[in-house]
Amino acid sequence: DQQVKQNSPSLSVQEGRISILNCDYTNSMFDYFLWYKKYPAEGPTFLISISSIKDKNEDGRFTVFLNKSAKHLSLHIVPSQPGDSAVYFCAASGKTSYDKVIFGPGTSLSVIP
Amino acid sequence: NAGVMQNPRHLVRRRGQEARLRCSPVKGHSHVYWYRQLPEEGLKFMVYLQKENIIDESGMPKERFSAEFPKEGPSILRIQQVVRGDSAAYFCASSPMRGTEKLFFGSGTQLSVL
Repeated sequence: DQQVKQNSPSLSVQEGRISILNCDYTNSMFDYFLWYKKYPAEGPTFLISISSIKDKNEDGRFTVFLNKSAKHLSLHIVPSQPGDSAVYFCAASGKTSYDKVIFGPGTSLSVIP
Repeated sequence: NAGVMQNPRHLVRRRGQEARLRCSPVKGHSHVYWYRQLPEEGLKFMVYLQKENIIDESGMPKERFSAEFPKEGPSILRIQQVVRGDSAAYFCASSPMRGTEKLFFGSGTQLSVL
């Protein structure tokens, strides 16, 4: 039972264009959402997060949008750069301090120069 | 390097042997999480530990797997009598306090079972 879904295993985007990575979740108790980025042979690194009380959070070229009614969030990267090529994991956690962070299967982004 | 340190980076075991994976969290972090990534899959939660306590082990297989985070020393993930299906990348992450979802990950241990 996959609580966090990323239905696109891969995405290719031209350098300079916008990358949009999508994520859906099923558990309405999730309260906090995160995006992690992972390069080969390295561990994931935190990228950006959003609380359920917000619908948008922006950090430089990265913006995360949350649509609670649709249980959907997306990560926008603009402009995309070749160094952004990596696997992006969507993650979510619940309201209590003991709730574990649940990760989606990831989307592999390739930014073509 | 003040980050999460995992060792070894690569571990090769034959079926039936034991695998011990070590994780030293970021200095000052008292919460440790273990995740497993199977080929072509995402990160699957295994266990969440605090110093000397297991908080949530709902993702741990019932048999052969155990984890600890002693008062002193690194966290250890132990897999007894390994099988080929245990081959995966095992990632450790740490956080400084409860309810902090921003996890700091190590580079992982790639376990290969022959």
